[in-house]
Amino acid sequence: DQQVKQNSPSLSVQEGRISILNCDYTNSMFDYFLWYKKYPAEGPTFLISISSIKDKNEDGRFTVFLNKSAKHLSLHIVPSQPGDSAVYFCAAEDNQGGKLIFGQGTELSVKP
Amino acid sequence: DVKVTQSSRYLVKRTGEKVFLECVQDMDHENMFWYRQDPGLGLRLIYFSYDVKMKEKGDIPEGYSVSREKKERFSLILESASTNQTSMYLCASSQHTGSSYEQYFGPGTRLTVT
Repeated sequence: DQQVKQNSPSLSVQEGRISILNCDYTNSMFDYFLWYKKYPAEGPTFLISISSIKDKNEDGRFTVFLNKSAKHLSLHIVPSQPGDSAVYFCAAEDNQGGKLIFGQGTELSVKP
Repeated sequence: DVKVTQSSRYLVKRTGEKVFLECVQDMDHENMFWYRQDPGLGLRLIYFSYDVKMKEKGDIPEGYSVSREKKERFSLILESASTNQTSMYLCASSQHTGSSYEQYFGPGTRLTVT
């Protein structure tokens, strides 16, 4: 039973355009969400996070939006760059002192 | 900078062998985690530990065990490796308290069981 879902396994975007990666969750008790980026043969690195008391958090080119009523979050990357090509995972903290539940990942390809 | 290191980047083992994957973190984090990553399945939690000598089962603990004798070191053990344990294994650590819940990951070990 997948509590955190990323329904798009891949996304292709032109350089300079916006990339939008989506994530849905089922547990309304989740109160903290994170996005990680992963290059091949490397471990995931933290990108951006959002608490459930907010609906938006911005860090440079990256913005995360949270819609609690829809149990949906999205990561916007503007403008997209070829170096953003990676697998992106969303994750939710499950109220157990730091345990994260990850989605399946979306592979972003940004074409020059 | 937080550093999480894993003992091997690539490992090839035979079916039935006992396999040890080591993870060390240098930030005095209380929490440590072992995941495996498989295409289309994301990161799945195998075991985690909130303190020395403590361990908790994650979502897929079958066929694995762990050891945490020192705070900085968390070992994953495959008692008798099988081909379905071929995967990328990722170790992570985090602080026990805090507002960010951010986990720091090692580079991963690509394990192939033949």
